Amino acid sequence: DAKTTQPTSMDCAEGRAANLPCNHSTISGNEYVYWYRQIHSQGPQYIIHGLKNNETNEMASLIITEDRKSSTLILPHATLRDTAVYYCIVRVTYSSASKIIFGSGTRLSIRP
Amino acid sequence: AAGVIQSPRHLIKEKRETATLKCYPIPRHDTVYWYQQGPGQDPQFLISFYEKMQSDKGSIPDRFSAQQFSDYHSELNMSSLELGDSALYFCASSLGGGGRGDDEQFFGPGTRLTVL
Repeated sequence: DAKTTQPTSMDCAEGRAANLPCNHSTISGNEYVYWYRQIHSQGPQYIIHGLKNNETNEMASLIITEDRKSSTLILPHATLRDTAVYYCIVRVTYSSASKIIFGSGTRLSIRP
Repeated sequence: AAGVIQSPRHLIKEKRETATLKCYPIPRHDTVYWYQQGPGQDPQFLISFYEKMQSDKGSIPDRFSAQQFSDYHSELNMSSLELGDSALYFCASSLGGGGRGDDEQFFGPGTRLTVL
């Protein structure tokens, strides 16, 4: 799986949009971009994923550049409960299951 | 909605003892993954099972073994425990991959193992 590069930490004011960048310049054509987050000592939580097109769900939006070498996760209205480590992962999935390789992630702090 | 269940949630063992962690996947999920997260570290993949067969193996010590049963639950068996095995152990489940690329994994709450 391709490597990703994320800022070590970021902070954002409550109620504002949090934009978390991720670089994945070696991504292959059949690799998806996934985002997970981990609130302190809880199990990682799936947020969103995409291949080429931008995606949106009830939690977040994912913007993938046209060359697919980078992406941005957007939390539109950050709350204190969004404080967590956010992992950007690129992976190929196969019929016989596909592990997640976690990198260092971005520690996002939401300030009141 | 039903989530992944792990038991026990907390476990304290002595060095050289054995431990068994259990994972009950989301109903109808056929794939189970085990991850280990040491203090201050990121989760590391250990092993996975798809349809009761081992599908992938990561940095799992030889002292550890795992299996997936006919009801799809999984058990991680750990022997000759060492202090360094103290960690959070997460289980995740998914509905296979099928080449769809959308097999998001759902994680359980974890088992915190402390080896004294």
